Amino acid sequence: DAKTTQPPSMDCAEGRAANLPCNHSTISGNEYVYWYRQIHSQGPQYIIHGLKNNETNEMASLIITEDRKSSTLILPHATLRDTAVYYCIVRVANARNAGNMLTFGGGTRLMVKP
Amino acid sequence: DGGITQSPKYLFRKEGQNVTLSCEQNLNHDAMYWYRQDPGQGLRLIYYSQIVNDFQKGDIAEGYSVSREKKESFPLTVTSAQKNPTAFYLCASSSTGWETQYFGPGTRLLVL
Repeated sequence: DAKTTQPPSMDCAEGRAANLPCNHSTISGNEYVYWYRQIHSQGPQYIIHGLKNNETNEMASLIITEDRKSSTLILPHATLRDTAVYYCIVRVANARNAGNMLTFGGGTRLMVKP
Repeated sequence: DGGITQSPKYLFRKEGQNVTLSCEQNLNHDAMYWYRQDPGQGLRLIYYSQIVNDFQKGDIAEGYSVSREKKESFPLTVTSAQKNPTAFYLCASSSTGWETQYFGPGTRLLVL
């Protein structure tokens, strides 16, 4: 699986959009971009994933650049409860061997401030 | 409610003791996983199972053992061979080995 690079920390004002960047310059054509977040002392929570098109769900939007070498997770109206570590992960789609494991790096610690 | 449960939330281990962490899911998922997380670090894979009665070692399997006798359950035993067991242990499951993984709330293991 390709490696990802994320800033170690970011701040965001409550009610504003939080834009979390991720670089994955060595991503392969069959690798998806996944985002999880982990609130302190809890299990990681799945947020969203995508291959090449932009994706949106009730939690967030995922914008993937045309060359797929980077992406941005957007939380449109951040709240204090969005304070967490956000992990960007790339993984091979439909990999039937090795269980297609998730490889978590250090992530971005997002602090939403009042 | 469907989901993944882990118990206990906190577990204390004495030196030389084996302890077992429970993970149960009622999502009808085939695949289950165990990860370890140390303070300020990402997750590292210990073991995974893609089907009942089968499991594979992950990156840091030494000192751990698992079983998968039922689809719903994937217990992890931390043996006395694991010299540094203090960590946050997370269980996850996915419908198949390549689908989105969903995590339980975690068990924090401390050594006395």
